Amino acid sequence: NAGVTQTPKFRVLKTGQSMTLLCAQDMNHEYMYWYRQDPGMGLRLIHYSVGEGTTAKGEVPDGYNVSRLKKQNFLLGLESAAPSQTSVYFCASTQGQMNTEAFFGQGTRLTVV
Amino acid sequence: AQSVTQLDSQVPVFEEAPVELRCNYSSSVSVYLFWYVQYPNQGLQLLLKYLSGSTLVKGINGFEAEFNKSQTSFHLRKPSVHISDTAEYFCAVSPPGSNYKLTFGKGTLLTVNP
Repeated sequence: NAGVTQTPKFRVLKTGQSMTLLCAQDMNHEYMYWYRQDPGMGLRLIHYSVGEGTTAKGEVPDGYNVSRLKKQNFLLGLESAAPSQTSVYFCASTQGQMNTEAFFGQGTRLTVV
Repeated sequence: AQSVTQLDSQVPVFEEAPVELRCNYSSSVSVYLFWYVQYPNQGLQLLLKYLSGSTLVKGINGFEAEFNKSQTSFHLRKPSVHISDTAEYFCAVSPPGSNYKLTFGKGTLLTVNP
């Protein structure tokens, strides 16, 4: 059972570079989310999607873009990385309706130098 | 808007001792309540949740939590902890109809010492 898979697991970027984080889930979930985790801050929602072809902003969307072209994939893009985007990024998915449990990936540790 | 306050950033305890991790929330609407656990270098895993009904909720690994509406609290408890319970614990809320978005507290690091 793969669940939620994030690629890559680690990455170091230089300021100004771009990259895309991939999240894939094999549970046929409708809802997908990108969170960032910073020390002492808990997790904060960046963007989310309620279904294929839809995306919406979360609490901290600036500097990020997302796309959900296929139901199973949710991509997070950084167009021009900044040191403030150094963080651990988690993808999550939820079936929705009365099944409210969120399933999380293992995380992507991103360092911007 | 909702907010979650976890009152202790770190809780050290000895093995086999009881533990309580405290969580208070603020919301103008009713919310679903969750506790997630994060083991080192891993993602988050659901421990337990309160949606409605009985205010005492039992979860995995012997944990339980009690929803107190008047005090807007959802404290997590375990009567006897093990070394393997060492992890970070996050309390989270989600209002019904919010597309299941979670608002997290800042986390409590539980360290169980031998």
